[in-house]
Amino acid sequence: AQKVTQAQTEISVVEKEDVTLDCVYETRDTTYYLFWYKQPPSGELVFLIRRNSFDEQNEISGRYSWNFQKSTSSFNFTITASQVVDSAVYFCALSDRNSGNTPLVFGKGTRLSVIA
Amino acid sequence: GAVVSQHPSWVICKSGTSVKIECRSLDFQATTMFWYRQFPKQSLMLMATSNEGSKATYEQGVEKDKFLINHASLTLSTLTVTSAHPEDSSFYICSAGPGGDNYGYTFGSGTRLTVV
Repeated sequence: AQKVTQAQTEISVVEKEDVTLDCVYETRDTTYYLFWYKQPPSGELVFLIRRNSFDEQNEISGRYSWNFQKSTSSFNFTITASQVVDSAVYFCALSDRNSGNTPLVFGKGTRLSVIA
Repeated sequence: GAVVSQHPSWVICKSGTSVKIECRSLDFQATTMFWYRQFPKQSLMLMATSNEGSKATYEQGVEKDKFLINHASLTLSTLTVTSAHPEDSSFYICSAGPGGDNYGYTFGSGTRLTVV
């Protein structure tokens, strides 16, 4: 069975600090996809990144970066120089396909509060 | 591309009444859509898989007679909460996705249901 663990329930940082959100996953599939979503207070889910299991390259997008390590089954997310607008709940998710026809398995989410 | 529209955004209804929530894929066809439920400060839990032209598949513990799903076309799935009770108050969100290299799963904006 697939499982995603986000051990950090809530994190609070001061603006401009860097923060890393942890994600550990479990799957028996050799091919799988990992996702991060942002859920601001308004409730919608904003897609941040998708990574497949064969691509272990780290990725950077502006202030966001992701560290994928298959050896530790982790897919951590770092926000550099955090801003108040980054305050949201962040979900890590897992799927065995990228077809749109299989559901995502979500972690419990990490609530990030960035204080000005 | 890959836009999913969900309506209504919020609804308040009296206990015992039924509420219909619509989920539309605007620029792609979706043979499969997913319905999730999210209680306050919790993660998204898959309720059911909506299949175009056939019966929905419900997750264990989800009452199929209470949460009626209809997927009559390739662009529309509806979730009807029948005889709603206060414990059904939650955030309901649908997702679909054309898959492929350029998209994650796309989510609707969600429906906040309050049963009074």
